[in-house]
Amino acid sequence: GQSLEQPSEVTAVEGAIVQINCTYQTSGFYGLSWYQQHDGGAPTFLSYNALDGLEETGRFSSFLSRSDSYGYLLLQELQMKDSASYFCALNQAGTALIFGKGTTLSVSS
Amino acid sequence: GAVVSQHPSWVICKSGTSVKIECRSLDFQATTMFWYRQFPKQSLMLMATSNEGSKATYEQGVEKDKFLINHASLTLSTLTVTSAHPEDSSFYICSAKALAGAYNEQFFGPGTRLTVL
Repeated sequence: GQSLEQPSEVTAVEGAIVQINCTYQTSGFYGLSWYQQHDGGAPTFLSYNALDGLEETGRFSSFLSRSDSYGYLLLQELQMKDSASYFCALNQAGTALIFGKGTTLSVSS
Repeated sequence: GAVVSQHPSWVICKSGTSVKIECRSLDFQATTMFWYRQFPKQSLMLMATSNEGSKATYEQGVEKDKFLINHASLTLSTLTVTSAHPEDSSFYICSAKALAGAYNEQFFGPGTRLTVL
């Protein structure tokens, strides 16, 4: 089967940098995605890694190490609006995304 | 970009009634759509995979006779919650995989919040 582990909660202040880690177990791997979800909303796509290394998209970056079955989402210059839940998700060929349990990020001023 | 809509966005119904939720891909064709359910403060749990023109594939523990899925066209999948009960109250989210999408990318609908009284 597949499983993902990520911290349940992270807190930070505005302007700070936060890293949300994700470890996974799977038999078939295509890539690791990251989604953001605000309360009451649908998940929105943030980033995707299929190969080892860092992908940068504005203030958000995502890293993957396939040999370690590990990835992280890096959020820089935190803003209050970044307070949300963040999910890592496994991409597998032709199948649905399998989501982690999510990390609730709280950003304070 | 690819847009997926859901209708209705929220619904309140009485226990024992059936509710139909529609998921549409507005500007692309989707051979495969996925239905997820999310309870408060929890993750998205895959319920079923809906393939155009064939029967849906349900995840373990999801009752296929209770959650009827129809994928009649390349742009529409429906989820019908039959004989709904309060424990079915949840946030139902669909996603669609583009026919010619990159890296298995999926596009999510805005979700439907179901409350069963």
